Amino acid sequence: QVQLQESGPGLVKPSETLSLTCAVSGYSISNGYYWGWIRQPPGKGLEWIGSIYHSGSTYYNPSLKSRVTISVDTSKNQFSLKLSSVTAADTAVYYCARGGWLVPNYFDYWGQGTLVTVSS
Amino acid sequence: EIVLTQSPGTLSLSPGERATLSCRASQSVSSSYLAWYQQKPGQAPRLLIYGASSRATGIPDRFSGSGSGTDFTLTISRLEPEDFAVYYCQQFGSSSTFGPGTKVDIK
Repeated sequence: QVQLQESGPGLVKPSETLSLTCAVSGYSISNGYYWGWIRQPPGKGLEWIGSIYHSGSTYYNPSLKSRVTISVDTSKNQFSLKLSSVTAADTAVYYCARGGWLVPNYFDYWGQGTLVTVSS
Repeated sequence: EIVLTQSPGTLSLSPGERATLSCRASQSVSSSYLAWYQQKPGQAPRLLIYGASSRATGIPDRFSGSGSGTDFTLTISRLEPEDFAVYYCQQFGSSSTFGPGTKVDIK
């Protein structure tokens, strides 16, 4: 059974960089699939942030592209998100998920999500 | 960027009734890249339908998806108590977007 678990600080100061990691178990990232980050502000809808392949190939949401970096560490079977210059608008539950076999697509396995609050 | 619009915003129905949810895209979407999710409060979204009409593993057959091009539909044939939730459609073209969601609540 594929399982994903997000981890990282729950509180980030404005203008700083948000950093999260997603640990994957039950499946080796090196075997394929795209892996993605999605966020959901409190009481609002879902927003795709970006997706990465085990080779490092990435797709980013154009509206966030200038601030987002997604990376993968196959040796640790995990992938990470960095979002720079955060503001209160970046406060959200951040989910990691598995999405797409050879190309980015739907997300079939999700982490439980982690709330990140941007506040001084 | 492809914008997805979902209607209605809220659907108030009783258990046993049929639910029909719409997802309309601002430009044509390949059916291979259209998915539907269910989300309950405090939980991560759950994949229901992928490829516009294929049920994900473990999804009951009362859930069905259809459509092509710019118009897609999720149908729940007979609502069970556990089906009252928010439903999102998602597309992946050159990038991915989600619709704003349809809340199905108890009438």
